[in-house]
Amino acid sequence: NAGVTQTPKFQVLKTGQSMTLQCAQDMNHEYMSWYRQDPGMGLRLIHYSVGAGITDQGEVPNGYNVSRSTTEDFPLRLLSAAPSQTSVYFCASSNPGTSVTDTQYFGPGTRLTVL
Amino acid sequence: GQQLNQSPQSMFIQEGEDVSMNCTSSSIFNTWLWYKQDPGEGPVLLIALYKAGELTSNGRLTAQFGITRKDSFLNISASIPSDVGIYFCAGQLVGGSNYKLTFGKGTLLTVNP
Repeated sequence: NAGVTQTPKFQVLKTGQSMTLQCAQDMNHEYMSWYRQDPGMGLRLIHYSVGAGITDQGEVPNGYNVSRSTTEDFPLRLLSAAPSQTSVYFCASSNPGTSVTDTQYFGPGTRLTVL
Repeated sequence: GQQLNQSPQSMFIQEGEDVSMNCTSSSIFNTWLWYKQDPGEGPVLLIALYKAGELTSNGRLTAQFGITRKDSFLNISASIPSDVGIYFCAGQLVGGSNYKLTFGKGTLLTVNP
């Protein structure tokens, strides 16, 4: 049971380039979310999904696209990278419910730099 | 968007000391969570609180869900060097869901051996 995995761990892009951050979970969780973490800002929600085929915007969705074709995978796409997207990106998954086992589990993060 | 006010922003303490940090909000939450993040890693859940007034412990950690449902605190007793890291509070708004958490900005804890 690997939990939540993210690839790559580090990435450097040039302004205007596109890329996809990968996220996978093997816990059969219904919910998956993407957050970005900036210094002094905590974690902010980018996009989330409540199940395969269903996605919605979070607090800071501009510049990012997501899709959820399977329960396990939730990739985050940057169509045209900008320096403002330099950040650490975390993927998280959870199940609906109100117990400790239903809370969000986080991946190790992808550290992205846009030059 | 909704924000949680987490304080202090950073703490420098000696090994063996107790630590206290808190989060407040202008909105009511139905769940409070406390996470710890080690350098280069993702946040890891420490304690989850689901009822107003609830006091929950996890080893040397104790957290409480405020009676007003707008605040929570985390205490760490007898700190050790491995307690170093960033501690985040997170809340789930009433009517919200656990895929949509609101995070505080974090408390950076440094423990001097």
